[in-house]
Amino acid sequence: QVHLQESGPGLVKPSGTLSLTCAVSGTSISNSNWWSWVRQPPGKGLEWIGQIYHTGSANYNPSFKSRVSISMDKSKNQFSLNLRSVTAADTAVYYCARDPANWFDPWGQGTLVSVSS
Amino acid sequence: QSALTQPASVSGSPGNSITISCTGTSADVGRYNLVSWYQQHPGKAPRLIIYEGSRRPSGVSSRFSASKSGNTASLTISELQADDEAEYFCCTYGGTTVNTIFGGGTKLTVL
Repeated sequence: QVHLQESGPGLVKPSGTLSLTCAVSGTSISNSNWWSWVRQPPGKGLEWIGQIYHTGSANYNPSFKSRVSISMDKSKNQFSLNLRSVTAADTAVYYCARDPANWFDPWGQGTLVSVSS
Repeated sequence: QSALTQPASVSGSPGNSITISCTGTSADVGRYNLVSWYQQHPGKAPRLIIYEGSRRPSGVSSRFSASKSGNTASLTISELQADDEAEYFCCTYGGTTVNTIFGGGTKLTVL
């Protein structure tokens, strides 16, 4: 059974960098899958941030492209999100998910990141 | 990119059926058979209930079905149960530039 777990700071200062890690168990991230990050601001809908393939190739939502990077560490079976120059608008629950073919299953439980001084 | 359009809310009585629409464009919903649907209970992570247009993952009730006509996809939930009360999101691939787009979500109330 595949399981994903997000981790990282719950509070980031404005203009800082949001960094999260998604630990994957039950399968190897080196398998043929994309792995994605999705976020959900409080009380709002879902927003796809980007994805990384097992080869290291990544795609990003154009809305974030200049601020975001996704990487993977195959030795730790995890992938990571970095979002730079954050503002209060980046406050959200951040989810990681396996992305077999532009659908997401399973999802991590999510982690709330607040941007505040 | 613009989000897919969903009604903000729908409601239905136990035992009845409801349908949630998800409208995109000819560049996304209309072009690709890659609409997926997610159920999200408050405080929980989304759960995949439909993928690749109309396919149900293992373990998802057959009461959930989906279809597409032109640029609009639809999710139908039959024989409504109290536990179906949740928010539902549609999602699709939108091509290499926009990649993945979500709908704004529809809150289902079971009366």
